[in-house]
Amino acid sequence: NAGVTQTPKFQVLKTGQSMTLQCAQDMNHEYMSWYRQDPGMGLRLIHYSVGAGITDQGEVPNGYNVSRSTTEDFPLRLLSAAPSQTSVYFCASSADSRSGYTFGSGTRLTVV
Amino acid sequence: TQLLEQSPQFLSIQEGENLTVYCNSSSVFSSLQWYRQEPGEGPVLLVTVVTGGEVKKLKRLTFQFGDARNDSSLHITAAQPGDTGLYLCAGWGSGTYKYIFGTGTRLKVLA
Repeated sequence: NAGVTQTPKFQVLKTGQSMTLQCAQDMNHEYMSWYRQDPGMGLRLIHYSVGAGITDQGEVPNGYNVSRSTTEDFPLRLLSAAPSQTSVYFCASSADSRSGYTFGSGTRLTVV
Repeated sequence: TQLLEQSPQFLSIQEGENLTVYCNSSSVFSSLQWYRQEPGEGPVLLVTVVTGGEVKKLKRLTFQFGDARNDSSLHITAAQPGDTGLYLCAGWGSGTYKYIFGTGTRLKVLA
């Protein structure tokens, strides 16, 4: 049971670089979301998807892009990294709009 | 914007004490979930409450969904050091597919 798999687990970027955080789930869940969690804080919604080909913005979408070409994959792209994007990023999936989410183990990103 | 406010923000108690964490919103939620998160890991789902007034028990944890479905509480009886962690409420707002999290309650149980 893989669940939600995120890669990489750790990443250091220089300001201005771009990169893609990968997320895959094997539970055939329609709903997927990306969150960021800053030290000592809760989770803030970046982008979410309710199915393949359908994405929408969350609370803090600026500086990030997403796509959902398949049910399984939901990559998060940082366009031009900034130190303010230093955070832990979590990907999560859910079967429907009444259930909870299953989370990946996170990607710890540092932008210098 | 739908917000979930949790209180208290921090809680440090002795082993064996009881505690209650609150989750409040001005918006109605179709369901609410509670999670526990430990350092370096993703949140883990504890429970889902759907019906107004619903009470669910998970060993020493009791969860309640308010009658108006805009608030919830988590009560821990006889807390243990293993209960230490960040507790988060979360929910799907009515009429939206955004899943948002509360501000979090960081619990530390001292042996």
